[in-house]
Order: sequence, then structure tokens, then C-alpha cells
Amino acid sequence: GESVGLHLPTLSVQEGDNSIINCAYSNSASDYFIWYKQESGKGPQFIIDIRSNMDKRQGQRVTVLLNKTVKHLSLQIAATQPGDSAVYFCAENIRSSNTGKLIFGQGTTLQVKP
Amino acid sequence: DAGITQSPRHKVTETGTPVTLRCHQTENHRYMYWYRQDPGHGLRLIHYSYGVKDTDKGEVSDGYSVSRSKTEDFLLTLESATSSQTSVYFCAIKDTVEETQYFGPGTRLLVL
Repeated sequence: GESVGLHLPTLSVQEGDNSIINCAYSNSASDYFIWYKQESGKGPQFIIDIRSNMDKRQGQRVTVLLNKTVKHLSLQIAATQPGDSAVYFCAENIRSSNTGKLIFGQGTTLQVKP
Repeated sequence: DAGITQSPRHKVTETGTPVTLRCHQTENHRYMYWYRQDPGHGLRLIHYSYGVKDTDKGEVSDGYSVSRSKTEDFLLTLESATSSQTSVYFCAIKDTVEETQYFGPGTRLLVL
């Protein structure tokens, strides 16, 4: 069945280093992907999205890469800061379904060491 | 914060009692969603709505019902709460133009 998964449950990085969080998906029909950040006690917060007609999209300090050949996407955070410590989720969607239903991965915990 | 509020934010109840959670949005979004979040399972869709009085089931809908009598409110009801429904519940809305869902702050429910 459909599944979205993250490769590592926990990622620990030094403050100032770059972070890379990975995600694999299995449904080749998925054409829209979103990264969310969730801090303790809060709801998921939208970070960045990408459509399947793109390979890369950049935001402020974040970049999402999409490799449709191997059904893989990644979130890169430049110059990681203590405020980036959170759980990061990827989610996928099939736009033609028109219901907006997302399938979420389990999440990766990012720990930033000072 | 996409104008989403959830109430209550925390609730403790006993097994067998009915519970209703409310999601309120102020920006007239058509789509609204209820998720539950549990360790080891991530976010799972319970029910969603694509308009007033238009709702459908998600992947974990057993034991839950929803109602949407007006655009701004989406109610989630546990008819007879069970301990397995102890969870954190999130409401989300979808912008009709883009596919991004935005989440509310969550309701932490404990069923004793």
C-alpha cells in the first residue's frame, strides 16, 4: 500500500552545520509533497512544498530536493540553529484526488547541539 | 496560524462518556480535517469535510463521528470514549487554491 517514510528517527547535528532529512515514498502517483516542522506541544507547521514537475525548491535556509526516479525527497537546512530542533514530517498527496488527503511519514527528530 | 483554533486544548474524561472536540476557522476554507497523532503512528486521518454537511471517512474513523453545520466549525465526536482514543487531536484546513494543509494547535485528550 501507500507509505511515506523517513529514513532516520533521530538526527543530531552541531549548531551551524547543515542538516539533511530524508524521506521515501512508494506511490508513484503522488505529485505534491510537503515538509512540516513540529515543535513540542504544538501543531505541525508548514515549511516548504514541492510539486512533481520540479526537482528542487528553495526557501529561507531550507531546500527541498525531489528525485522521482527513486521516489525520494530530502529537506536540507542550512546553518542549523537551536530553534530548528523539532520533529520533521514529510507528507505526500495526489492532487487529482481533490480531497486534499495527505499521507504522513513517521517523522525525524532533529536535535541541534550547541 | 491560518486562523485555526481548537477547543478544549486539554481534556480528561472517563471511559464510556461522550466527548466533542471543536475546530474553528476564520478564513472560510472549504476543506477541514481531523487527525490523531500517536507515538509510532504519526498523523492519521480520522474524518474530513469538503463543505457544509459534506464529510467523509479517513483511515481511522471507527468510534468517531463528525459534523459540519457551518463553514467555520468542524466538530469531532467520540460517542463513547475508550482508552485507545487517548491521543492528541489536530484539526487542519486546506486552502482551496493550493494543496497545503495548515494545522491547529491540537487537543490533548486523556481517556481514563
